[in-house]
Amino acid sequence: GNSVTQMEGPVTLSEEAFLTINCTYTATGYPSLFWYVQYPGEGLQLLLKATKADDKGSNKGFEATYRKETTSFHLEKGSVQVSDSAVYFCALSDQGGGSTLGRLYFGRGTQLTVWP
Amino acid sequence: EAGVAQSPRYKIIEKRQSVAFWCNPISGHATLYWYQQILGQGPKLLIQFQNNGVVDDSQLPKDRFSAERLKGVDSTLKIQPAKLEDSAVYLCASSSRLAGEETQYFGPGTRLLVL
Repeated sequence: GNSVTQMEGPVTLSEEAFLTINCTYTATGYPSLFWYVQYPGEGLQLLLKATKADDKGSNKGFEATYRKETTSFHLEKGSVQVSDSAVYFCALSDQGGGSTLGRLYFGRGTQLTVWP
Repeated sequence: EAGVAQSPRYKIIEKRQSVAFWCNPISGHATLYWYQQILGQGPKLLIQFQNNGVVDDSQLPKDRFSAERLKGVDSTLKIQPAKLEDSAVYLCASSSRLAGEETQYFGPGTRLLVL
């Protein structure tokens, strides 16, 4: 079946530190991969995505590369800011069939706190 | 473009009571999802609609949960009767496959506490 495993938090970093949040997946087909972010008191927002192997998604300084050989989609940022403090969710989407869109399978989420 | 709207934002009820949540998706989005997010976990799909038809409700506890999407736009999710373990955030999301876009856009969620 489909599942996502991401590193457990919480992760605490100082401002300008390098961030890596590990994510690995299990999928029966050829999924699309996503990182969603949830800021305090807000809903889930798409951070970045990749739809096929070797694609790199990027947004707001965050990057993740779809690695089919290691079934991974690790999130990285070279220099974090206090405003990046949030919960980060890795997710995959099976493509479904026909004209329907696939459901999302989420990891448990990783709480990131960045101190000034 | 307006986002996914949900109401209410918060709800407190006692066990065995009933509750209903409402979702208005992004205009033109044919696919609508309801997810349950228990504290400390990632969201889990409850039900998926394509227009006004159910695509996937395999994870919906049908003895107490029901959902409908009349006219293929707004949707309501109902719990009757509620149990303590239903305390969670209920998220609605919508998506469209126009031009290959498959991103799901989430609403702010309804936080339910069952006492």
